[in-house]
Amino acid sequence: GIQVEQSPPDLILQEGANSTLRCNFSDSVNNLQWFHQNPWGQLINLFYIPSGTKQNGRLSATTVATERYSLLYISSSQTTDSGVYFCAVGNFGNEKLTFGTGTRLTIIP
Amino acid sequence: DVKVTQSSRYLVKRTGEKVFLECVQDMDHENMFWYRQDPGLGLRLIYFSYDVKMKEKGDIPEGYSVSREKKERFSLILESASTNQTSMYLCASSLSNTGELFFGEGSRLTVL
Repeated sequence: GIQVEQSPPDLILQEGANSTLRCNFSDSVNNLQWFHQNPWGQLINLFYIPSGTKQNGRLSATTVATERYSLLYISSSQTTDSGVYFCAVGNFGNEKLTFGTGTRLTIIP
Repeated sequence: DVKVTQSSRYLVKRTGEKVFLECVQDMDHENMFWYRQDPGLGLRLIYFSYDVKMKEKGDIPEGYSVSREKKERFSLILESASTNQTSMYLCASSLSNTGELFFGEGSRLTVL
């Protein structure tokens, strides 16, 4: 099956800093999503981004499908950005997504 | 906004008990999923369903069964709970044409 690697596994930043999270995958995909899991366990869908670039406020994501990676950018971090960020990939016709092991982001006031 | 609602946030059960976890979505999504999440193991798919009365095994179906009698509702059943089923259980749903996945708040199950 598809292998998904996320880096870094842990990231600690001061409030206001910018960060880049990376997701590498081992095979071609046409479904890639980024999620944020808050400290209470809720997973929120941030982006559906199988290719290209999208922006939503302080967050943006870029997927380069031909090179099998995706990047999540967080600018001007806030403490509410803390949590675990997951990348998940898959292909249509196969409804199962494969999740990475996540990046734990901690924003210090 | 898509709403996926799980019936219980926290449950404590005894070994051998039958456990039902209920999930309801309000956006007419075809696909529904049950995952479990454990430290160091990430999210693992237990079962999914792409239509009423249809189900497919995920990566770790052993010890679980599911039921989908109505499009909006997907139930996970632990016939005889065991301590190794202590975990966070996450329900999700998606539309078939996009695959964009939406999760419920999770149900943290402890089996004593």
